[in-house]
Amino acid sequence: GAVVSQHPSWVICKSGTSVKIECRSLDFQATTMFWYRQFPKQSLMLMATSNEGSKATYEQGVEKDKFLINHASLTLSTLTVTSAHPEDSSFYICSARAPGGTTYEQYFGPGTRLTVT
Amino acid sequence: GDSVTQMEGPVTLSEEACLTINCTYTATGYPSLFWYVQYPGEGLQLLLKATKADDKGSNKGFEATYRKETTSFHLEKGSVQVSDSAVYFCALSVYMYSGGGADGLTFGKGTHLIIQP
Repeated sequence: GAVVSQHPSWVICKSGTSVKIECRSLDFQATTMFWYRQFPKQSLMLMATSNEGSKATYEQGVEKDKFLINHASLTLSTLTVTSAHPEDSSFYICSARAPGGTTYEQYFGPGTRLTVT
Repeated sequence: GDSVTQMEGPVTLSEEACLTINCTYTATGYPSLFWYVQYPGEGLQLLLKATKADDKGSNKGFEATYRKETTSFHLEKGSVQVSDSAVYFCALSVYMYSGGGADGLTFGKGTHLIIQP
């Protein structure tokens, strides 16, 4: 089956620094990747959609200058949290969609736990 | 906008009991419907899906039927096991036929299911 990995699985950083999270599709090419944020005991909220080779589309209320997304290849998308603050602490999850067919399934990575101190 | 409403948890059942987790949705376009499961400490996994009205998705003894007339996609299982304890998310994805590509998933808030031996 389709496998999506994320790196790192957890990270702790100091307030004001930047953190990069990688999302990779390991055995398929993903033309589209999605980034979600999950708060404790709550649902996933879509942050942005990235298509390979083009600018990401951000959901309303998500600061594009703070959450930089780069989808440089068909197997890699990165999310950079710039000038992180404690309120950015959360669980960040990516998903990747395989092209083709009429069923648009998304395959999820295991998530990255970010803690900003 | 698109939205998913599912029953609040936690839902606590005894082993071998019948399970129903209600899910209703509102959407523009032609939604595909999904149930995802999140086991403790793990990422989301697709449990089952349905892409058009009257489709029935099934997996691991769980099933759900896409009911367009009631805009529902209730999750059911005839006999639950302790290993089914997890958080279950109902979700939808709308395929924009105009060529914009399917959006990211819209999730419900999740239902925490606890199965007691």
